[in-house]
Amino acid sequence: DAGVIQSPRHEVTEMGQEVTLRCKPISGHDYLFWYRQTMMRGLELLIYFNNNVPIDDSGMPEDRFSAKMPNASFSTLKIQPSEPRDSAVYFCASSSPGQGSDEQYFGPGTRLTVT
Amino acid sequence: RKEVEQDPGPFNVPEGATVAFNCTYSNSASQSFFWYRQDCRKEPKLLMSVYSSGNEDGRFTAQLNRASQYISLLIRDSKLSDSATYLCVVPTNTGFQKLVFGTGTRLLVSP
Repeated sequence: DAGVIQSPRHEVTEMGQEVTLRCKPISGHDYLFWYRQTMMRGLELLIYFNNNVPIDDSGMPEDRFSAKMPNASFSTLKIQPSEPRDSAVYFCASSSPGQGSDEQYFGPGTRLTVT
Repeated sequence: RKEVEQDPGPFNVPEGATVAFNCTYSNSASQSFFWYRQDCRKEPKLLMSVYSSGNEDGRFTAQLNRASQYISLLIRDSKLSDSATYLCVVPTNTGFQKLVFGTGTRLLVSP
C-alpha cells in the first residue's frame, strides 16, 4: 500500500492567495483527519471525516479554512485568503478502527509558507 | 490544566542508556493512550498503544497510572536511531477517534 498521499509537499504563496491542499487516504480507511503542526502549538486537529461526512470541525481556526471530502479516496483543505500565520505543516491522516486498529496513519505533510 | 502535558526536553543520553519520559493528562475518563514517534521533518508514526496498565515491545515499555493520570515511556539500551520526538496522545471524551497530541519530548542519543 502506498500509504496516505499528500500534495503538494511544499507550497509557498503570498498573503491573500488561495491555497488548496490535497489528500488521498489509505484505501479502505473510513476516517480522515486534517492536522496542523507549528512549533508554538504542536499538532492540532482541524477537522475529521467519517465515511466522507465531516464529524467535527471545531478545530478549524476560522471561516478562511474549509475542507471537503467528495469521495472515499480524496479530500481537500482550502485556505482563502491565506495569511502569514497560516504557515505550518499540514498533515492528513486516515484510520480504520473497524479493522481492529486505532492507529492513525499520517501522510508526509504539506509544508506551507505564506509570505 | 492542559489536556496533555509533556516535558519538551531535550533529553541528551549516551548510547546504551535507559531513559524515561512522563506525560500527564486531564481527562480521567480516557481508556486508551498512545505514544507516537516523530522524526525531524517527518510525519508522526505510532510507537505503542496502551489500553490497560501498560505495554511492552522489545526495548520500549509504556506504563499507565490512572490514579495519578500519567503515562510513562521507558526506553532501554538506547540506540542512535531512537533520536526523535516522542508524542503522548490521548483521546478526547467527545470521540475516541479525536486525539489530543502532546507537544512532544525530544530525545537525542549520542555515541
